Amino acid sequence: GDSVTQMEGPVTLSEEAFLTINCTYTATGYPSLFWYVQYPGEGLQLLLKATKADDKGSNKGFEATYRKETTSFHLEKGSVQVSDSAVYFCALTWNAGGTSYGKLTFGQGTILTVHP
Amino acid sequence: DAGVIQSPRHEVTEMGQEVTLRCKPISGHDYLFWYRQTMMRGLELLIYFNNNVPIDDSGMPEDRFSAKMPNASFSTLKIQPSEPRDSAVYFCASRRTGGPNTGELFFGEGSRLTVL
Repeated sequence: GDSVTQMEGPVTLSEEAFLTINCTYTATGYPSLFWYVQYPGEGLQLLLKATKADDKGSNKGFEATYRKETTSFHLEKGSVQVSDSAVYFCALTWNAGGTSYGKLTFGQGTILTVHP
Repeated sequence: DAGVIQSPRHEVTEMGQEVTLRCKPISGHDYLFWYRQTMMRGLELLIYFNNNVPIDDSGMPEDRFSAKMPNASFSTLKIQPSEPRDSAVYFCASRRTGGPNTGELFFGEGSRLTVL
C-alpha cells in the first residue's frame, strides 16, 4: 500500500539556519504530494503541494520539488524563523487525470523548534 | 466561506461516560475524515466518508467507537463507554474531489478529549 516516510525528529535550529526535512514515499502511479504544517494548539493546514513530477511547490519561503526518480519530496527553507516552530507532515493522495480521490496518507510528522 | 467546524473544543469526562464529537464540513465538500492525534501514536485516520457513505472504517479502534454522517453538512463520532486511553485530540477534515484545490484537506481546530 501507499506509505510516506519522514526524517526522524525533533529538529532544533537557530534562527536564520537552513532547513531540510526529508520525505520519501511509496505509491502506485503518480500521486499528488503535500506538506502540511501544524502550529501549537491548531489543526493541520496546507503549506504547499505538487501534483506531478518535477513540479515545485512553494509558500512562505518553503519549497519542495516532486522527484519521481528518487520518490522524494523534501521540504526546504533557506532561513528559518522562530515563528516556523511547528510540526510538519508530508502526505500523498492518489491522483488520476488531475483529480484526487480517497484518503491522504500522512507521514509521522517532524517537530521543528527554532531558537532565537 | 466558513472552515470545518468542530464541537466541543474541549471535553472532560469520566470513564464509562458517553462522548459525542460533532463536525460540520465545508459546504460542497464530498469527503469527510475523522482523525485522532496523540503523542504516542501520532496522527491516525479513524474513518472517512464519501458522499455521506462510510468508505473505510478500518482505523476505528474497537466497537466502542462509532461514526455517522446523516447528511452532507453534519457528522458525529461517538465513544461509548469512554476510557482514559481514548484521551486525545480528535480532528475532523473535509475535501472535495475535483476543482483547483483537489486533494487539499481542510482541518477543523480539533476537539481535545480528556477521560478521567
